[in-house]
Formats: sequence, C-alpha cells, structure tokens
Amino acid sequence: DAKTTQPNSMESNEEEPVHLPCNHSTISGTDYIHWYRQLPSQGPEYVIHGLTSNVNNRMASLAIAEDRKSSTLILHRATLRDAAVYYCILGPAYSGNTPLVFGKGTRLSVIA
Amino acid sequence: DTGVSQDPRHKITKRGQNVTFRCDPISEHNRLYWYRQTLGQGPEFLTYFQNEAQLEKSRLLSDRFSAERPKGSFSTLEIQRTEQGDSAMYLCASSSPSGRAVWTQYFGPGTRLLVL
Repeated sequence: DAKTTQPNSMESNEEEPVHLPCNHSTISGTDYIHWYRQLPSQGPEYVIHGLTSNVNNRMASLAIAEDRKSSTLILHRATLRDAAVYYCILGPAYSGNTPLVFGKGTRLSVIA
Repeated sequence: DTGVSQDPRHKITKRGQNVTFRCDPISEHNRLYWYRQTLGQGPEFLTYFQNEAQLEKSRLLSDRFSAERPKGSFSTLEIQRTEQGDSAMYLCASSSPSGRAVWTQYFGPGTRLLVL
C-alpha cells in the first residue's frame, strides 16, 4: 500500500483558514487521494477526494500538486467543530468499495 | 437514514472471557467492514463482507476472532479468550457498491473494549 506522511498535530485559530499537508511521494498513477476525519468519540467520516485536479465541496477544498506527490486539505474557516484527526488515504476511486488503509493522521486543534 | 449503529458502546471484560459486538449497517448497504483502532493510531482493517459473504480477512484477525453476517444485514464480531492486547475501539462501517460508484464508507461510533 502506498504510504502517506502527515504532521502529527496542527493548531489553528477559530475562523481562520487551515492547510493540512500530506506527502505521498510513492503514489501510483491510479491512486486517488481521499481525506477522512475523525471527531472525538466518533468513527471517521468522509471529507473529500480527488485524482489530479483541485476539488471543492461544502466541507473543504483539496489542492493536489502537479506531480501528485503531495496534497493539501484546506478548511476555509476553521470552527471548534472541525477539531478532529484528519487522515489522508490513497486508494482506488471509490473508497466505499475497498478496505481503507489509515495512517496516524494529523490531530487538528482549533483555538477559540 | 439512521446511520451505522454499534452495540454495546463500551465493554469491560476480564482476560479469558468471550465478547461479542454487534453492528447494524445503514439499511440496504450490502458491504460491511470491521476495523480496530488502538490509542493514538488510525483504524486498521480487520475484515469485510459483501452481503453475507466474508470477502477478505486481515492478518490481524487471529483465530480467536470470528465475524459473521448471517442474513446480509447486521454483523457480529466475536473475540474468544480475550487478551489485554485486544483492548481497542472496534469500528464498523458500511457502504453500498451495488455496481455503483461509491465515494465513502459510513462509520459507526465504535465499541470500546477494555480487557482487564
């Protein structure tokens, strides 16, 4: 399984943008980049995914480097409810169809 | 849509006892996954089902672990002769490929097991 590298922890002020990096230098041409997050005392939840182009949805944006060896999850205005562990995962297009391989993720703290 | 539910939410047991956890997936989801998560780590895949068929088992799933999904709806995960190393959060997730593109797995809140 392709590996991802994320910082152990990050901190953000409330209502400011947050950029969560992920390095995946061994990504294969068919790997999609998926982001899930895990709020305290809950199971993980899907955030966003992409292949090459930058992606936006109601939760976040995903910026993918041109060489695809890194990506950044962007939360445009962090709220206290965004405090969670964020996981960057490589896999096929449809993450519902296959077991997910989680790393340790990045623990995001949001300060009021 | 009531989401994925798991029961119990917490379980404390003594070493050597057997425990069973239940997962109820989202209605009509035909794929069901079990994961285990220890403190400070991301979830690790254990096994998954498509309908009632168990399609894959991780090496983490020792002989003391067994999972079933008898009617393709709810699933149970049993651990026999529990050990202290089994203490973890056990997560269940479901999805519904059904030949369609499926972007996400939906996770339950987990069952936290403590083996004394």
